[in-house]
Amino acid sequence: AQSVAQPEDQVNVAEGNPLTVKCTYSVSGNPYLFWYVQYPNRGLQFLLKYITGDNLVKGSYGFEAEFNKSQTSFHLKKPSALVSDSALYFCAVGFATSGTYKYIFGTGTRLKVLA
Amino acid sequence: KAGVTQTPRYLIKTRGQQVTLSCSPISGHRSVSWYQQTPGQGLQFLFEYFSETQRNKGNFPGRFSGRQFSNSRSEMNVSTLELGDSALYLCASSVTGLAGTDTQYFGPGTRLTVL
Repeated sequence: AQSVAQPEDQVNVAEGNPLTVKCTYSVSGNPYLFWYVQYPNRGLQFLLKYITGDNLVKGSYGFEAEFNKSQTSFHLKKPSALVSDSALYFCAVGFATSGTYKYIFGTGTRLKVLA
Repeated sequence: KAGVTQTPRYLIKTRGQQVTLSCSPISGHRSVSWYQQTPGQGLQFLFEYFSETQRNKGNFPGRFSGRQFSNSRSEMNVSTLELGDSALYLCASSVTGLAGTDTQYFGPGTRLTVL
């Protein structure tokens, strides 16, 4: 069955340190991969996506993610975390099935950046 | 440039009724996608429309339907409401769609409560 996993419910990191939010997937074929962020009371925002091409994708707010086909992962990274990065992060994967694409979301990882 | 707008922002309905939610994309955006967010099921993809055609559809029953008009505005309809349909319904717009390379912009959502 097609799936996407965010193995950590919460990630804590000190301000200024690098951060990683993990995402792994299990789909057949070539996936589309997405990261979204949900700030409290500010709705959902798109961060970045991988469709094809360069495995390293740069997105909004200094975030980037690397598509690793062999490890079926698409981890979100940032070199230096800010307190304002504290939010709920969702990974999503799109996959082809029966002539259409379906998109499924991970359960979310809460990132807490400590001052 | 105006952002994505969703109307109404809040809605209370009773079981068995039907509801129509509206999403107005950013001017020039031809793709509108819809999502459901609940505490129990998390984020789920409903469907994507592009230039008035449904491009992709998630795993929701036929009670959930949508359409897109020539001005790219989109509506989604839920018939015979159930308690489990209580959720935040989000829409997002983009120029090229989920399989394209551009950014999605989300609306603030419509919070539907079914009593």
